[in-house]
Amino acid sequence: EVQLVESGGGLVQPGGSLRLSCAASGFTFSNYGINWVRQAPGKGLEWVSFISSSGTSKYYADSVRGRFTVSRDNAKDSLYLQVDSLRAEDTAVYYCGRVRGWYYIDVWGKGTTVTVSS
Amino acid sequence: EIVLTQSPGTLSLSPGERATLSCRASQSVSSSYLAWYQQKPGQAPRLLIYGASNRAAGIPDRFSGSGSGTDFTLTISRLEPEDLAVYYCQQYESSQFTFGPGTKVDIK
Repeated sequence: EVQLVESGGGLVQPGGSLRLSCAASGFTFSNYGINWVRQAPGKGLEWVSFISSSGTSKYYADSVRGRFTVSRDNAKDSLYLQVDSLRAEDTAVYYCGRVRGWYYIDVWGKGTTVTVSS
Repeated sequence: EIVLTQSPGTLSLSPGERATLSCRASQSVSSSYLAWYQQKPGQAPRLLIYGASNRAAGIPDRFSGSGSGTDFTLTISRLEPEDLAVYYCQQYESSQFTFGPGTKVDIK
């Protein structure tokens, strides 16, 4: 079964950091780019970051550029999102999603929740 | 940055009725890079349509997509109770992805 499983979320104080992970299974992970997408409570979807299949291309939304860093380890079928300098407005469910050639997400994980609060 | 606007914000229809959801872009979008997703309460989003008009695997044929340029449409030909969800459009351009704000479909 093709699957993505996020982990690493939690409660963190403003200014703090977390490292989110996304574990892939059921497909050749190294062949696909991956997106991070988040959803604040009661709000819509917001794209956060993209990393290409090889990891050489990385894109970020303006709202997180300079604070978030995406990376991947194709040997471990895993994706990471280092989230630093967290703000209350970063509180959200963070999803990873497999990106196909026409830049759409065909497989989504169930998400991991990040709560930024003192 | 391309901004996507979706209308209406909420659509309330009865089972069997036709639903027409609009997604408008602030500038022209490649049809290849326009997708639609369905998100049911408490669930992750699910891909419905990619390339503006191609149904994803396993999606019922009552869902269809159309449009080009700045105006795109998702049509649900005959609403089923399980279609209660929020529907999002998404585009890609110049290393940036954007989602529309969503249309909530309520079933009367």
